[in-house]
Amino acid sequence: NAGVTQTPKFRVLKTGQSMTLLCAQDMNHEYMYWYRQDPGMGLRLIHYSVGEGTTAKGEVPDGYNVSRLKKQNFLLGLESAAPSQTSVYFCASSYAGAFGEKLFFGSGTQLSVL
Amino acid sequence: AQKVTQAQTEISVVEKEDVTLDCVYETRDTTYYLFWYKQPPSGELVFLIRRNSFDEQNEISGRYSWNFQKSTSSFNFTITASQVVDSAVYFCALSAAYGGSQGNLIFGKGTKLSVKP
Repeated sequence: NAGVTQTPKFRVLKTGQSMTLLCAQDMNHEYMYWYRQDPGMGLRLIHYSVGEGTTAKGEVPDGYNVSRLKKQNFLLGLESAAPSQTSVYFCASSYAGAFGEKLFFGSGTQLSVL
Repeated sequence: AQKVTQAQTEISVVEKEDVTLDCVYETRDTTYYLFWYKQPPSGELVFLIRRNSFDEQNEISGRYSWNFQKSTSSFNFTITASQVVDSAVYFCALSAAYGGSQGNLIFGKGTKLSVKP
């Protein structure tokens, strides 16, 4: 019973490098989300998707792109990493919209940009 | 504007003490949901409870209890007889239908609870 799986768990990048974080869920959830967690800031929504082929901006979308080509996968891309993107990234999913729905979270990806 | 405030950044207690984590929220919506999530040292956020704005009944689940008071816009979380395994960061979150969030969760900054043996 995997739930929400994120890869990789840790990554170190140099400024300017690119990378993609992969999130996969096996619960047939429609909605998927990417959050970032910074010390003293709580979790902030980067992008989200309400279904296959759709994406939308969250609170802090700049510097990130996302794609939802398959219902079960939600990819987060950093085209040109910056030190300000050093953070812990969490993927989450829910059966329906975030309103009133319980979110299921992955275990997080710790990203350091040097 | 919608906002969740967890004024307590860190709390440290000794095992078996009771502890209350405070959560104050702001929203203009009449229909909304409030949540508590737990983030243990392993990192993954775990859902604890959901409460909708029309249900002000307090909830008790084992050693955990939640007090929802619309009059003070608070949704506080109490752990009775705390245990070391309760050590974690606890997040309060708000989900409102309107106000620009499109129903997405607004998280507080979290309260780090340390329970010492």
